[in-house]
Amino acid sequence: GNSVTQMEGPVTLSEEAFLTINCTYTATGYPSLFWYVQYPGEGLQLLLKATKADDKGSNKGFEATYRKETTSFHLEKGSVQVSDSAVYFCALILTGGGNKLTFGTGTQLKVEL
Amino acid sequence: DSGVTQTPKHLITATGQRVTLRCSPRSGDLSVYWYQQSLDQGLQFLIQYYNGEERAKGNILERFSAQQFPDLHSELNLSSLELGDSALYFCASSLRADNTGELFFGEGSRLTVL
Repeated sequence: GNSVTQMEGPVTLSEEAFLTINCTYTATGYPSLFWYVQYPGEGLQLLLKATKADDKGSNKGFEATYRKETTSFHLEKGSVQVSDSAVYFCALILTGGGNKLTFGTGTQLKVEL
Repeated sequence: DSGVTQTPKHLITATGQRVTLRCSPRSGDLSVYWYQQSLDQGLQFLIQYYNGEERAKGNILERFSAQQFPDLHSELNLSSLELGDSALYFCASSLRADNTGELFFGEGSRLTVL
């Protein structure tokens, strides 16, 4: 079946540090990949997406590149802020088949001053 | 603000009881999805409705049921509640029947079963 594996959290960083949150996937077909973010007390929000190999999704300073050869979609940001503290979810959906968006377990990010 | 509204925000009830969670999708969206978020299971897809009809089914228990009404709001009914049903239940919506992965989530309904 399809699955998403994320690095365990919490990840604690100082403000302006570099962020990487690892995400790898297993899929029976050709997936589209997503990062969602959940701020405290809120629902999930789509952060960025990539629909084919070597695509780079980006938004709000965050980036992730779809790497088919390593089945990965790692989330990066060059300089995190306290306001980036949230839970980040990697997710996939198969292109053209099925309606199930499969999420990873989420990685909590804490950014301190 | 995603435009998706869920009520109630918090609900505390006892084992064996039945509750109904309500969701109003974003204006213009025809699909509604229900997800359960718990510490041990993560975020699990339960069910999707599109324009009043069931479209896709996930890991929804037989004790749970859902429907989407003509005005497109949806309700998730949870019955014979067990302690393990305590979780955050999210509703999400999108325009199309086919899930492109781009969903708009509500803030969730936190259910506590005592």
